[in-house]
Amino acid sequence: KAGVTQTPRYLIKTRGQQVTLSCSPISGHRSVSWYQQTPGQGLQFLFEYFSETQRNKGNFPGRFSGRQFSNSRSEMNVSTLELGDSALYLCASSLHLAVLVEQFFGPGTRLTVL
Amino acid sequence: KQEVTQIPAALSVPEGENLVLNCSFTDSAIYNLQWFRQDPGKGLTSLLLIQSSQREQTSGRLNASLDKSSGRSTLYIAASQPGDSATYLCAPVGPNRDDKIIFGKGTRLHILP
Repeated sequence: KAGVTQTPRYLIKTRGQQVTLSCSPISGHRSVSWYQQTPGQGLQFLFEYFSETQRNKGNFPGRFSGRQFSNSRSEMNVSTLELGDSALYLCASSLHLAVLVEQFFGPGTRLTVL
Repeated sequence: KQEVTQIPAALSVPEGENLVLNCSFTDSAIYNLQWFRQDPGKGLTSLLLIQSSQREQTSGRLNASLDKSSGRSTLYIAASQPGDSATYLCAPVGPNRDDKIIFGKGTRLHILP
């Protein structure tokens, strides 16, 4: 069974641009969660999608948004990029809501904002 | 609001030693707790998931215990190997479906050959 895949793996953008990251969950998993990881703040929850609906959201500005498609694949978008958005963005998939079952993580997308 | 602390932040031990990593959390009303490892620059690998009704969970050389009432979990690694070098994170979850998953900042483990 293929694991969680994320594309692209690396991305370099400049301030003010926008970016879209993609996550393909494990086959059969209906939940996708997104996290931001930085050296200073650690791993922080962004949002979770389950059956195409956002079920939970972390404390991030509205520049961070996401969506989930009918095949459970998910995209995350960040608009008007800031230097502080440089981070490793991880997605995780689970069979059901992440609070209920085990999560499986992808390798991450390393975003650098110049 | 759940707060998670992992002590120590970093640890170096010689190969072959047994070791314990600690995780404490402020809200003991959790649904489950998951331990992960993360290799540098990579995603997280799930190690063990302990349900709130369990006291411990074992997988190979790893044993995780959970004491909900005191807000603590420990990850015991037996006979450590250089391949165990990684950052270990814990994540207590719940108890509500709408609760966010809060991670500790991790313990960076280095096993000396």
